[in-house]
Amino acid sequence: DSGVTQTPKHLITATGQRVTLRCSPRSGDLSVYWYQQSLDQGLQFLIQYYNGEERAKGNILERFSAQQFPDLHSELNLSSLELGDSALYFCASSPTPPGGTDTQYFGPGTRLTVL
Amino acid sequence: AQSVSQHNHHVILSEAASLELGCNYSYGGTVNLFWYVQYPGQHLQLLLKYFSGDPLVKGIKGFEAEFIKSKFSFNLRKPSVQWSDTAEYFCAVINNNAGNMLTFGGGTRLMVKP
Repeated sequence: DSGVTQTPKHLITATGQRVTLRCSPRSGDLSVYWYQQSLDQGLQFLIQYYNGEERAKGNILERFSAQQFPDLHSELNLSSLELGDSALYFCASSPTPPGGTDTQYFGPGTRLTVL
Repeated sequence: AQSVSQHNHHVILSEAASLELGCNYSYGGTVNLFWYVQYPGQHLQLLLKYFSGDPLVKGIKGFEAEFIKSKFSFNLRKPSVQWSDTAEYFCAVINNNAGNMLTFGGGTRLMVKP
């Protein structure tokens, strides 16, 4: 158990819908990262938040957005869902301040299926 | 943009065989290197990491990896695999000049036959 929690574990929805994935980082970690794991794209970095502020963006679609709240939990919002958005979405956390590097610890993931 | 290559997509070994999984990265600057393992149906777990110092790093469950800067490589090794090592293995790199996001290789699926 890494200490990172994600809910829900599974999510099944239809095309065009909107969903919210939730992540709680390890105690004391200020950075939260979101990654997408799909069969065709592999594991890709989506976005990073540090202490409530967006710090880095990767291959995140405009239909996707995220935020980190004052209690440091984070939510990833996926809208206008398409079949190709079906994937495993991982959250990771680390204590890393801006400009530093550190180990990221991963949560169990949310498996999203878009029908 | 930096990239990470894992040349072996699928590896099948018998128990007690030795394992070496290749990992090469493209970035020439300072990097931090990781190997993560994903057991079936589970999340990514850190096996080992290299930040600096001794290029031969030892991780959990008898795994080790060697950082060879001149070859841009960070190969994972285990002298004798067990059936419980069946999993997918991911090499990942952090480019110290590009924030803390991980760039992952495509993964190597290892099957160990009992």
